[in-house]
Amino acid sequence: EDKVVQSPLSLVVHEGDTVTLNCSYEVTNFRSLLWYKQEKKAPTFLFMLTSSGIEKKSGRLSSILDKKELFSILNITATQTGDSAIYLCAVRDMRFGAGTRLTVKP
Amino acid sequence: DTGVSQDPRHKITKRGQNVTFRCDPISEHNRLYWYRQTLGQGPEFLTYFQNEAQLEKSRLLSDRFSAERPKGSFSTLEIQRTEQGDSAMYLCASRRDRFGANVLTFGAGSRLTVL
Repeated sequence: EDKVVQSPLSLVVHEGDTVTLNCSYEVTNFRSLLWYKQEKKAPTFLFMLTSSGIEKKSGRLSSILDKKELFSILNITATQTGDSAIYLCAVRDMRFGAGTRLTVKP
Repeated sequence: DTGVSQDPRHKITKRGQNVTFRCDPISEHNRLYWYRQTLGQGPEFLTYFQNEAQLEKSRLLSDRFSAERPKGSFSTLEIQRTEQGDSAMYLCASRRDRFGANVLTFGAGSRLTVL
């Protein structure tokens, strides 16, 4: 059965800290891994990763995929209170991890 | 058409009643997905449609749940004889069925509370 495991489940940091969120997966017919950010309601898209070792970057956020070791990480540098959210990792459309709840304190 | 719309946004019902949720996807998206999300969990896949065809159903989708997408546009998710365990956020998402177009656009969800 397909599995996506995120860690940590919860994280509290202060503004300016750097955080690393982890996502490991076991899935048949892997095509891509996606990261979403969920604030109050609908998850919104952050990154889609298909190839190992190629970093995707958007401002203070970056992500990379390791298809050999079957994991991905999402980095957020210089965190801000607006980064407080649940970060979800998904492989295929049907399988999401439980999410990492990030709280950034001022 | 700026996004995925879900209706109602909140529903409170008594145990044993039937409820129906509606999802209007982005018009050019032919894939439509339903998920259930409870506190502390990621979205759990329920079912998906490609156009009007329901192609996959999760084993979470008991026989009290039924989903339709009759004309390949909007979709409904009905829960019959609701139970307290059905209380959750029901999310709808859509995307194009095209290689590389894996990004889902989610609606704001329909929150169900069963008393």
